[in-house]
Amino acid sequence: EIVMTQSPATLSVSPGESATLSCRASQSVSSNLAWYQQKPGQAPRLLMYTASSRATGIPARFSASGSGTEFTLTISGLQSADFAIYYCQQYNSWPYTFGQGTKVEIK
Amino acid sequence: EVQLVESGGGLVQPGGSLRLSCVVSGFTFSKYWMHWVRQAPGKGLVWVSRMNSDGRTTNYADSVKGRFTISRDNAKNTLYLQMSSLTAEDTAVYYCAREGYYDSWSDLYYDAYDIWGQGTMVTVSS
Repeated sequence: EIVMTQSPATLSVSPGESATLSCRASQSVSSNLAWYQQKPGQAPRLLMYTASSRATGIPARFSASGSGTEFTLTISGLQSADFAIYYCQQYNSWPYTFGQGTKVEIK
Repeated sequence: EVQLVESGGGLVQPGGSLRLSCVVSGFTFSKYWMHWVRQAPGKGLVWVSRMNSDGRTTNYADSVKGRFTISRDNAKNTLYLQMSSLTAEDTAVYYCAREGYYDSWSDLYYDAYDIWGQGTMVTVSS
């Protein structure tokens, strides 16, 4: 089973600033990686797929990169709606596994 | 509107059973793999089980294998999760999710979970 490790666990950012979240896989997942956003009391929402492509309706301030074992999600110009928990997930090898999440909180 | 609606959660005693349902609408259910993912209070997302489009292939997390059974009724657009021998460690919000994001530019499907239900809470306690 591939272990996904996200860092940091919590990121404190001021509105308008940028946030950079990291996700590392214990072995290569190629570009088969997704990012999800989850707000309190809500279901996760797909943000990014195939490591760097935005899902439908996701604003351009969200960008992502990486391949193999190292991945990054960047949120530029953080807005109030962006303060949430973000999870990465690999779908390269079964079972598909999630990282433990990074909480982006208001500084 | 594409929608997944879970139901069937509730309070159950340790050792008890529960059946969750996920009714889908707005897309052709019979074409998609479907998953159950759970989230314990204050914790992260954990995959539980999946079933392929025609119901012939299933997979389970080790933690639920032998206790949980996933099934589907494509005629009723419904996914199920039968849970038995429940323990406190099964306490969580259970989400159903659709696998298969369609990228119209590349005309390809990707195995990310593009649609999620709102979740149903299962509490195992005496």
